[in-house]
Amino acid sequence: GEDVEQSLFLSVREGDSSVINCTYTDSSSTYLYWYKQEPGAGLQLLTYIFSNMDMKQDQRLTVLLNKKDKHLSLRIADTQTGDSAIYFCAEWRTGFQKLVFGTGTRLLVSP
Amino acid sequence: DAGVIQSPRHEVTEMGQEVTLRCKPISGHNSLFWYRQTMMRGLELLIYFNNNVPIDDSGMPEDRFSAKMPNASFSTLKIQPSEPRDSAVYFCASTIRGSKSYGYTFGSGTRLTVV
Repeated sequence: GEDVEQSLFLSVREGDSSVINCTYTDSSSTYLYWYKQEPGAGLQLLTYIFSNMDMKQDQRLTVLLNKKDKHLSLRIADTQTGDSAIYFCAEWRTGFQKLVFGTGTRLLVSP
Repeated sequence: DAGVIQSPRHEVTEMGQEVTLRCKPISGHNSLFWYRQTMMRGLELLIYFNNNVPIDDSGMPEDRFSAKMPNASFSTLKIQPSEPRDSAVYFCASTIRGSKSYGYTFGSGTRLTVV
């Protein structure tokens, strides 16, 4: 299909790890991104990964890329209540020269 | 840098009225995007501009919607006449065309309610 797919909801307890998954479509995508949207705010770029990498770590965030399966994941270690937000993955569509966003995953962190 | 600036933050209008949403991209950015976000349809790309020129407006829902970018520092999205189903949050985003590692920078959005 043409859609970038994500599960709609994820609920975790504070202190646990969260894993948000994404399946993208363009095997020639050179860049893949994770954005965070807090309530009442716009999307904010969290991190990105270049397609020649399998993993990227940035403090509590770990991005894993499986190019064979066109699967991207975002792991948040020691999840905090402030991490509650909607998380969007996005792929750079080479043919269209623009970002295509997934449906977003709403992460709820409970105390 | 003040980021992408959108105005107004909230707009409540009556059905049939004209609505104009405004966006100031980051200085030096040459691509600008208008998105609409609703619970039902998620994030939808409406139109985008490169160097002030509209490139793809296939996401504009109908002729009631129009967008302009008269110069590099200003864009408008107009809905005339507005309908209740246009109620949504409208986002503007900008970037440096071709700079893929940069991603898009989003404004805080305009929440539109049409009653």
